[in-house]
Amino acid sequence: QLQLQESGPGLVKPSETLSLTCTVSGGSINSNNYWAWIRQPPGKGLEWIGSFYPGGRTYYNPSLKSRVTISVDTSRNQFSLKLTSVTAADTGIYYCGRHAQWVIRLDPWGQGALVTVSS
Amino acid sequence: DAVMTQSPLSLSVTPGEPASISCRSSQSVLHSNGDNYLDWYLQKPGQSPRLLIYLGSNRASGVPDRFSGTESGTDFTLKISRVEAEDVGVYYCMQGLQIPVTFGQGTRLEIK
Repeated sequence: QLQLQESGPGLVKPSETLSLTCTVSGGSINSNNYWAWIRQPPGKGLEWIGSFYPGGRTYYNPSLKSRVTISVDTSRNQFSLKLTSVTAADTGIYYCGRHAQWVIRLDPWGQGALVTVSS
Repeated sequence: DAVMTQSPLSLSVTPGEPASISCRSSQSVLHSNGDNYLDWYLQKPGQSPRLLIYLGSNRASGVPDRFSGTESGTDFTLKISRVEAEDVGVYYCMQGLQIPVTFGQGTRLEIK
């Protein structure tokens, strides 16, 4: 059974870089799938951050593109998110997920990692 | 960007009664293969979202058959034939045809 788990610091200072890792277990990240990061501000809706295909293309949300980098470490079956110059508006739960088809059908999702931006 | 507009934003339903949630896309999400690239997700309180319906009308694995999705052009509907207490949470539609991927605002379902 494929499972995803987010990990990383829960507190980041304003203007610094948010870094999270998604560890994939029960399957290979080199499967024929796109993988994604999504976030959710407290009490609000879902926002797509970006999706990538290992060894292929990466797509970013234009609203975040200047600050976001998604990378993959296939040897560790992990992928990562870096978001630079964070502000309080970047506070929220960050989810990783697998697209079962193109960049749709997000299934499964990780349990989410809460990141708070505060000094 | 394809703007996804859900309605209503909240609804309260008596157990055993039906429920319906609408999602309208500002642009076509119809792929050249004939499929609408539109999903429905349920986020139960304190949990991650879970895929319910994909490609407009296909139930995901393990999803009860009381959930169904219908499609008409750029209008999509999630229907619950008989609401149960476990169906509470926030329902989101999401389109994945165009980049950026976009979500609806969410519809909160509560039980009367």
